[in-house]
Amino acid sequence: NAGVTQTPKFQVLKTGQSMTLQCAQDMNHNSMYWYRQDPGMGLRLIYYSASEGTTDKGEVPNGYNVSRLNKREFSLRLESAAPSQTSVYFCASSPPLATSRYYEQYFGPGTRLTVT
Amino acid sequence: SQQGEEDPQALSIQEGENATMNCSYKTSINNLQWYRQNSGRGLVHLILIRSNEREKHSGRLRVTLDTSKKSSSLLITASRAADTASYFCATDPYNQGGKLIFGQGTELSVKP
Repeated sequence: NAGVTQTPKFQVLKTGQSMTLQCAQDMNHNSMYWYRQDPGMGLRLIYYSASEGTTDKGEVPNGYNVSRLNKREFSLRLESAAPSQTSVYFCASSPPLATSRYYEQYFGPGTRLTVT
Repeated sequence: SQQGEEDPQALSIQEGENATMNCSYKTSINNLQWYRQNSGRGLVHLILIRSNEREKHSGRLRVTLDTSKKSSSLLITASRAADTASYFCATDPYNQGGKLIFGQGTELSVKP
C-alpha cells in the first residue's frame, strides 16, 4: 500500500495563477482532509470530506475549493493564488467511523507551495 | 482557532534522557492524539488516548490525560537521536464531527 500520496511535491506560482493539488489514498478510508502548515501555526484545517460526495469547510477555507472525486481522491484547488497561500499543504485520511469516534489520521508527504 | 497549546516550544536533551512535552486544550474532547513530524515529512500518528482513559503506554511512549485540567503530557523515555522531530498534540472536540485541532508543536532535539 502506498498510503496517502500527494502531487506535486513542490510548486511555485505567480500571484493570480491557479492550480490543483492532488491527493489519493489506497486504504479504503472514508474521511479525507486538507491542511496547511505555516511556521508557528501548527496545522490548520482547510476543508474535509467525511465521505464520498460530501465536503465541508474547515478553519481556513477562503481562497480554496475542493472536490471529492471518488472514495480515493480528494483535490484542493487554488483559483487565484495569493502570496498569503504560500505554505506546506498536507492531505490526510482516516478510517471509517466506529462507536461515533474518529480514529487516527494518516498523512501524505506534503506539497510545498510558494506564491510570488 | 487553536485548541491545543504545547509547552515547551523547543526542547534539547542528550541521548538517554527523558523528554516530556505538555499540551493544554480548551473544550471537552472525545480523544487526544499525539503525532510526530520529521523535518520535511508528513505527520505520523503515535498514540491516541480516549477521554475516559488517564494513561496509556506504547513502547517508550507514555501519555497521560487529565480532563479536569484539560491537559495531556507525552513522555519519551530513554530518548535516541532518531527521536529528533516535532511533536504535535491534536484534540478531537465534542460536536465537531471528528475534525482534529492541532497544537503548534514541540520541536525536540536529541543530541548524541
